[in-house]
Amino acid sequence: RKEVEQDPGPFNVPEGATVAFNCTYSNSASQSFFWYRQDCRKEPKLLMSVYSSGNEDGRFTAQLNRASQYISLLIRDSKLSDSATYLCVVKGGGGNKLTFGTGTQLKVEL
Amino acid sequence: DAGVIQSPRHEVTEMGQEVTLRCKPISGHDYLFWYRQTMMRGLELLIYFNNNVPIDDSGMPEDRFSAKMPNASFSTLKIQPSEPRDSAVYFCASRVGPLNQPQHFGDGTRLSIL
Repeated sequence: RKEVEQDPGPFNVPEGATVAFNCTYSNSASQSFFWYRQDCRKEPKLLMSVYSSGNEDGRFTAQLNRASQYISLLIRDSKLSDSATYLCVVKGGGGNKLTFGTGTQLKVEL
Repeated sequence: DAGVIQSPRHEVTEMGQEVTLRCKPISGHDYLFWYRQTMMRGLELLIYFNNNVPIDDSGMPEDRFSAKMPNASFSTLKIQPSEPRDSAVYFCASRVGPLNQPQHFGDGTRLSIL
């Protein structure tokens, strides 16, 4: 089983739609969680951290469920510019390594 | 401010040749990471350094891969001899201090081994 698993997509949604991505992780000792965004042929960039109580940044909401080892990202009122691959990222119980999921591709269409 | 700088941006070479990838982290960042990204396996951590010292190289696929960080502003990843299965995008990233700080990635090196 992979340490971090994501549905690869692609998710094709119309502009203005709400879309949700899910991610599961295998290491119950994982401590920190993030969502990164990667545009086509570009480098990954931090989108947001994920906090235990859930957190929101504009149109983006991240949730964490430690009991189910599950992380989600919700994008409301999606824009064409949201088209990208979204990477679920987990820090394990020790050390400074981040483990990246293979990403979920989002395509927002007119 | 300059970000993480990688060179070359693209490399195409024949199987068996030595390949050297270079990275200049953001000034002041004390962590440096080398990743490899492929469609099949996604983004994989190869090795990371803290204050120029290799901390974890468990992701280095085999002895053909080696990485060095001779000073705080420069690191290399070397593949010798290269094989077609090494073809991937190699990213270097750096970070300052605690884990809640973001990792900043370079533009990557697209490596093709023929």
